[in-house]
Amino acid sequence: GIQVEQSPPDLILQEGANSTLRCNFSDSVNNLQWFHQNPWGQLINLFYIPSGTKQNGRLSATTVATERYSLLYISSSQTTDSGVYFCALRRTNAGKSTFGDGTTLTVKP
Amino acid sequence: GAVVSQHPSWVICKSGTSVKIECRSLDFQATTMFWYRQFPKQSLMLMATSNEGSKATYEQGVEKDKFLINHASLTLSTLTVTSAHPEDSSFYICSGLQTGFRQYFGPGTRLTVT
Repeated sequence: GIQVEQSPPDLILQEGANSTLRCNFSDSVNNLQWFHQNPWGQLINLFYIPSGTKQNGRLSATTVATERYSLLYISSSQTTDSGVYFCALRRTNAGKSTFGDGTTLTVKP
Repeated sequence: GAVVSQHPSWVICKSGTSVKIECRSLDFQATTMFWYRQFPKQSLMLMATSNEGSKATYEQGVEKDKFLINHASLTLSTLTVTSAHPEDSSFYICSGLQTGFRQYFGPGTRLTVT
C-alpha cells in the first residue's frame, strides 16, 4: 500500500507564528486531503488538493504530485489551530484512504 | 461542506453487551462509507468500507462477526460492536464519501466497555 510520512510529528508555536507541515507519499495518488482533528476528536476538512495550490484564509496548501509531497502552511497561528493535522491519500477517487500519523500542533498564547 | 452525524457521541456499556453506532450523511448521499477506530495519540485505523446495499469489506485483522456493519440506505450506515470487551474501548469514527470524492467525517463515538 501507499506509505505516508508526515513531519514534524510535534510542533509547538507561539501565537502569531507561521508553520509548514509536510506530507510525503510513496506512490502516485488521485486524491489527497488535509484534515484538522480538534481536541474533541472531530475531523474537519481543510483542503482537497491532489495537485496545485489552494488558499483559505490563513491556511494554504500545495501538492507537487510529481515529487510526491504536499505542504500545509499555517500563517499567524491562533490557539484554536491546536490539534492534530492529518493528510490522507487515495490511489483512486473511490478507494480507501491511507492516513499519515499526523502532526500534533500546539499553539501557546 | 457536507455534514455527517454520529449517534451516540459517547457510550458506556458492560462487558458482553452489544452497542450500535449510527452514522448519517445529512445533506448528501454517500454510496460509500468508511468506519475507523482511533486509539489515543494514534492515527485513524480503517476497519471496513461499506457500500450501500452490499456487504462491507473488512480490513485484515478486523473481525467481521464482532463488528457488524450495515449500510441500508444512501444516508445511513450502522456499526454494531457485538459482545463488547474492554479492549474494544476506543474512539469510532465514520466517514461518508461525497460525489466529487471528498471524504467527510462524523464527530466520532467514544465507547467505553466496563
